[in-house]
Amino acid sequence: EIILTQSVGTLSLSPGERATVSCRASQSVPYTHLAWYQQKPGQAPRLLIYGASSKTTGIPDRFSGSGSGTDFTLTINRLEPEDFAVYYCLQYGSPPYTFGQGTKLEIK
Amino acid sequence: QVQLQQWGAGLLKPSETLSLTCAVYGGSFSEYYWNWIRQSPGKGLEWIAELDHRGGTKNNPSLKGRVTVSIDTSKKQFSLKLTSLTAADTAVYYCQLSVTRFGGLIVNYWGQGSLVTVSS
Repeated sequence: EIILTQSVGTLSLSPGERATVSCRASQSVPYTHLAWYQQKPGQAPRLLIYGASSKTTGIPDRFSGSGSGTDFTLTINRLEPEDFAVYYCLQYGSPPYTFGQGTKLEIK
Repeated sequence: QVQLQQWGAGLLKPSETLSLTCAVYGGSFSEYYWNWIRQSPGKGLEWIAELDHRGGTKNNPSLKGRVTVSIDTSKKQFSLKLTSLTAADTAVYYCQLSVTRFGGLIVNYWGQGSLVTVSS
């Protein structure tokens, strides 16, 4: 099983700043099948990024993903108030698919 | 507009079986993956199982063979059964439909979530 570690549990930033959320895998993620999700309280997760760097429909340009192998990053430029939420990485390259434990992005 | 609607019993006793169904309204898909994902109260996300457009299934071994997933393509419904419930299975259960569109674009659709509580 691939274990995903999001080393930062909580990230405190201000609107307008840049957020960098990292996700490290215990072994290389096959096919770079790494996704990023955003979750707000009481809501289902929302897909942002798949294939490590491809954005799904409707995701603003300020969101971007990068990485390969075992190290992946979600970057959010110029934080907007609606971006403060919990972010999870997911690897779907090797079953069982696994999520990181989440990084909470809170307003400083 | 694609929408997922899920339903099933919300309060179950230990040793009982959880049964949830998820229906998709709108859209047609040739390449798709149905997933069930759960989230324990205040905790992170856990993948349960996947069923794909070829009929292949994958289950999380941590659930020790208690999971059955199935699909009724004529009704566009995807179902989950989880047997031998314990309190540790208390969670919000989500169905998710991942669709690969033209050009390889991946789009996700989610059900509204079902809170399942296991308690005697």
